[in-house]
Amino acid sequence: DTGVSQNPRHKITKRGQNVTFRCDPISEHNRLYWYRQTLGQGPEFLTYFQNEAQLEKSRLLSDRFSAERPKGSFSTLEIQRTEQGDSAMYLCASSYGTGEGGEQFFGPGTRLTVL
Amino acid sequence: GQNIDQPTEMTATEGAIVQINCTYQTSGFNGLFWYQQHAGEAPTFLSYNVLDGLEEKGRFSSFLSRSKGYSYLLLKELQMKDSASYLCAVRSRSGGSYIPTFGRGTSLIVHP
Repeated sequence: DTGVSQNPRHKITKRGQNVTFRCDPISEHNRLYWYRQTLGQGPEFLTYFQNEAQLEKSRLLSDRFSAERPKGSFSTLEIQRTEQGDSAMYLCASSYGTGEGGEQFFGPGTRLTVL
Repeated sequence: GQNIDQPTEMTATEGAIVQINCTYQTSGFNGLFWYQQHAGEAPTFLSYNVLDGLEEKGRFSSFLSRSKGYSYLLLKELQMKDSASYLCAVRSRSGGSYIPTFGRGTSLIVHP
């Protein structure tokens, strides 16, 4: 396993369109996180899965955002009716553990540009 | 909520030592992480502290004081490749989950 992978790496879309990103975590990792990062800022937490269950979702997250992890392996993040403010790097991270869990391993990210 | 504060930018000379500070306010503290992020790349894990004291790993060390809400990352024998953003992340318990919250990052510039 070569680590966390994300697709696509770059996405340019027009305002109002829907986009979907995919994350494939490290195979034995049961935890998966989505973050959003803009220039000069740290990653901002969006949502968290343990296996297939979505356990946490940021209160800042609009209803236009939805995420799934149907079989407890890969995950998708969908943004509906994109807005220019959605332009950011979307990072996926995975970790293994029970209870507190361990360090997170990040994917390369998907850079979204909304025109 | 959580509040994490770290300097925006620091500069240092190749071969020197630099200390990057991080202060935080949180409830349900459950560990502090340091990550390195080069421009355009994903963060990579550097260190983890959950108990007070110093953790050393090669040229990098991290210190934690839970009572003061304070941590620092110490980089020794600086190399040009250490120029990057250094992210402090505090993990806290939210319900049954443990979610890390990241600071804005400290951009370190190492010059010859």
